[in-house]
Amino acid sequence: EPEVTQTPSHQVTQMGQEVILRCVPISNHLYFYWYRQILGQKVEFLVSFYNNEISEKSEIFDDQFSVERPDGSNFTLKIRSTKLEDSAMYFCASSGTGADTEAFFGQGTRLTVV
Amino acid sequence: DQQVKQNSPSLSVQEGRISILNCDYTNSMFDYFLWYKKYPAEGPTFLISISSIKDKNEDGRFTVFLNKSAKHLSLHIVPSQPGDSAVYFCAASKGNSGYALNFGKGTSLLVTP
Repeated sequence: EPEVTQTPSHQVTQMGQEVILRCVPISNHLYFYWYRQILGQKVEFLVSFYNNEISEKSEIFDDQFSVERPDGSNFTLKIRSTKLEDSAMYFCASSGTGADTEAFFGQGTRLTVV
Repeated sequence: DQQVKQNSPSLSVQEGRISILNCDYTNSMFDYFLWYKKYPAEGPTFLISISSIKDKNEDGRFTVFLNKSAKHLSLHIVPSQPGDSAVYFCAASKGNSGYALNFGKGTSLLVTP
């Protein structure tokens, strides 16, 4: 069964450093998303991406965040200058069209900012 | 602001019985509703969805009911199995693809033998 894969599974970084979280969405999907879940809180939407541009973003997705689809398979989330409060599980998701419209999630990257 | 609410943080049910998980929403623009299941250290796994034009959708042991006038939906699992023990998230969006999902805080279901 096709799945969304994310790397790394766990990333530890120092405050102020840049991190790039990577995702390989399901190959025939057209919409890509990033969500995050801070420990003990709900899953929150960050950004959606379609046709090589951001289609929607939340208030959380400020100037320190960016997304990119550098090639035909990868989808990345960059956090330019990490803060302690960026520590969370980050989930990538993708969805298709027609009968395959539900978002399928990856297993997540646990980001720890120290 | 909490647009999707799951007011029961936990639920315990005996194996073989029915599990009923509830969800309320406030935004009348929501058009599409989904349930996800999540195990620790894993991503949410899609379970079942329903469009606002329907009031019921069934898939095997899982049935989702939507009461649009009450802005309420529920997930029924029957019969419940120990492997169903997980956190269940209700989510809502303004369309069925390409839209942001608004999640509830989740209900932790424990199915006991």
